[in-house]
Amino acid sequence: GENVEQHPSTLSVQEGDSAVIKCTYSDSASNYFPWYKQELGKGPQLIIDIRSNVGEKKDQRIAVTLNKTAKHFSLHITETQPEDSAVYFCAASIEARGNNRLAFGKGNQVVVIP
Amino acid sequence: EAGVTQSPTHLIKTRGQQATLRCSPISGHTSVYWYQQALGLGLQFLLWYDEGEERNRGNFPPRFSGRQFPNYSSELNVNALELEDSALYLCASSRRGSPLHFGNGTRLTVT
Repeated sequence: GENVEQHPSTLSVQEGDSAVIKCTYSDSASNYFPWYKQELGKGPQLIIDIRSNVGEKKDQRIAVTLNKTAKHFSLHITETQPEDSAVYFCAASIEARGNNRLAFGKGNQVVVIP
Repeated sequence: EAGVTQSPTHLIKTRGQQATLRCSPISGHTSVYWYQQALGLGLQFLLWYDEGEERNRGNFPPRFSGRQFPNYSSELNVNALELEDSALYLCASSRRGSPLHFGNGTRLTVT
């Protein structure tokens, strides 16, 4: 099955700087790549996703890039704020026949230092 | 729009007992997914239900089971609880072709 890995496991950044989290996946058939943010005591919340027919997607301070050849994708957060502190999970799946089963990475703890 | 709701929020059981966890999907969503989030292991896929049927199962023993009801709500049952079953159990719902939306989970503690 699909195997997703995330690096680094913990990332500390100064408020206002950028944060980048990278993920690699193993199954070249994967075509859907979401990112989730999980705050303490809450479930994961979808923040952005990308499909394999595009290379980059942006939503305000958040962007995701996808390199299908190298099988990796990255989350970019610009102008970080304290409320960006959370655990971020990347995931991958093969969207087919309504199956949205996601394979998740182990998560990155992002700490934004005021 | 109400989100995915899970109950109970916390559950404490003794080894060997059974646990039942419940999930109500977002209105209009027909698929329910269950994930286990154990410390340091990320989210591990357990089960996928769609239109009342089990469609896919992760690499978990048969004592993990569940069902989906006609109103699309779902139950996860864990029999013969073991200490390592202690984890946060997350339910997510979706429509076909749409992203997964997660609830806040049930924290299961096995003593």
